[in-house]
Amino acid sequence: DTAVSQTPKYLVTQMGNDKSIKCEQNLGHDTMYWYKQDSKKFLKIMFSYNNKELIINETVPNRFSPKSPDKAHLNLHINSLELGDSAVYFCASSLMGYRTDTQYFGPGTRLTVL
Amino acid sequence: GNSVTQMEGPVTLSEEAFLTINCTYTATGYPSLFWYVQYPGEGLQLLLKATKADDKGSNKGFEATYRKETTSFHLEKGSVQVSDSAVYFCALSVRGTDKLIFGTGTRLQVFP
Repeated sequence: DTAVSQTPKYLVTQMGNDKSIKCEQNLGHDTMYWYKQDSKKFLKIMFSYNNKELIINETVPNRFSPKSPDKAHLNLHINSLELGDSAVYFCASSLMGYRTDTQYFGPGTRLTVL
Repeated sequence: GNSVTQMEGPVTLSEEAFLTINCTYTATGYPSLFWYVQYPGEGLQLLLKATKADDKGSNKGFEATYRKETTSFHLEKGSVQVSDSAVYFCALSVRGTDKLIFGTGTRLQVFP
């Protein structure tokens, strides 16, 4: 059973397009996250949601809009894609969002903007 | 601010060698500390964690001890295997933010 799943695994698109990445967790966790991993493997938080409520918005361009229809899903919509958006995007979840909680990561979505 | 500093890689070792990957942190408040591992083409998996000073996290032969006096959480393994080849990330989480702040990652390559 997959704990945190993301679709699609690969996404190749043109500059200026709009795309979405979906994330689902079946762990019963309250908190979900989006992280971005750049070409040098550096990982940085983008957003977190707790029970459908936005908690962290880490100075991400407003072209990125997360949406959480329920606490098991956190989707990421990106408008007007730019070359610099090319990266691997990871979804994660944790039980309550406490500092001691383990975060469980999805397999990642590799986005390539041409 | 909160930050994590890891030794730069790649770290190249022969099988059965001893491994140390250094990690130091700066944190406001009392962080939890984590090591995550990323195998090629995969997502991150928790390797081990420690949530208070002097705690030792351990898993799959890897160990790390939370040292508050030196603000460190170095990863060690007594005898590495080829299958340990991966990128290792040290990370912290501080109360009130609850996000993971990662180091830059250290690539480990183990040769037979």
